[in-house]
Amino acid sequence: KQEVTQIPAALSVPEGENLVLNCSFTDSAIYNLQWFRQDPGKGLTSLLLIQSSQREQTSGRLNASLDKSSGRSTLYIAASQPGDSATYLCAVRSNQGGKLIFGQGTELSVKP
Amino acid sequence: DTGVSQNPRHKITKRGQNVTFRCDPISEHNRLYWYRQTLGQGPEFLTYFQNEAQLEKSRLLSDRFSAERPKGSFSTLEIQRTEQGDSAMYLCASSLAPSTDTQYFGPGTRLTVL
Repeated sequence: KQEVTQIPAALSVPEGENLVLNCSFTDSAIYNLQWFRQDPGKGLTSLLLIQSSQREQTSGRLNASLDKSSGRSTLYIAASQPGDSATYLCAVRSNQGGKLIFGQGTELSVKP
Repeated sequence: DTGVSQNPRHKITKRGQNVTFRCDPISEHNRLYWYRQTLGQGPEFLTYFQNEAQLEKSRLLSDRFSAERPKGSFSTLEIQRTEQGDSAMYLCASSLAPSTDTQYFGPGTRLTVL
């Protein structure tokens, strides 16, 4: 059974810092991995999707990496801003079916 | 607006009542997913459709829950005889498989069972 874990559960950083969020999964037979952002009381916004054959994806100040063999992904946020404050969720899709299995999220707070 | 929409956004009901939620996916998307999220947790998968066919259901989807997507467009999720443990955010997502596969989420319906 696939399990997804995100560490840390919460993170507080001063504005301008570069930071890394971690995601680990137990079954390496994944189809893809997706990173989302969720603002309080809102739905999820897709940030990046990495296919199983890819090693990384970049969008603006965000870079996501994937190491399938070790069951890890990282989300790197450069030059953090207060507007980046949100909960970040990673989710894996297995080779069987279309559902996503989510981690519990990392709550990020960027202080001005 | 071309995003995923969900109605209602909030629903308060008394224990034992039935509730129904609606999801309208992005128009060309063939897959539609339902997830449930409780406070401080990541979303949990409930069920998904490809066009009008329901392809997978989670064991979380007890016999009190039913979902339909009758014409392969919008979907409804009904909960019968609601319980306090059903209180959660119900999220809908859609995707275009197999080409892009990114799941796009709606704003969710927050259910409170009193």
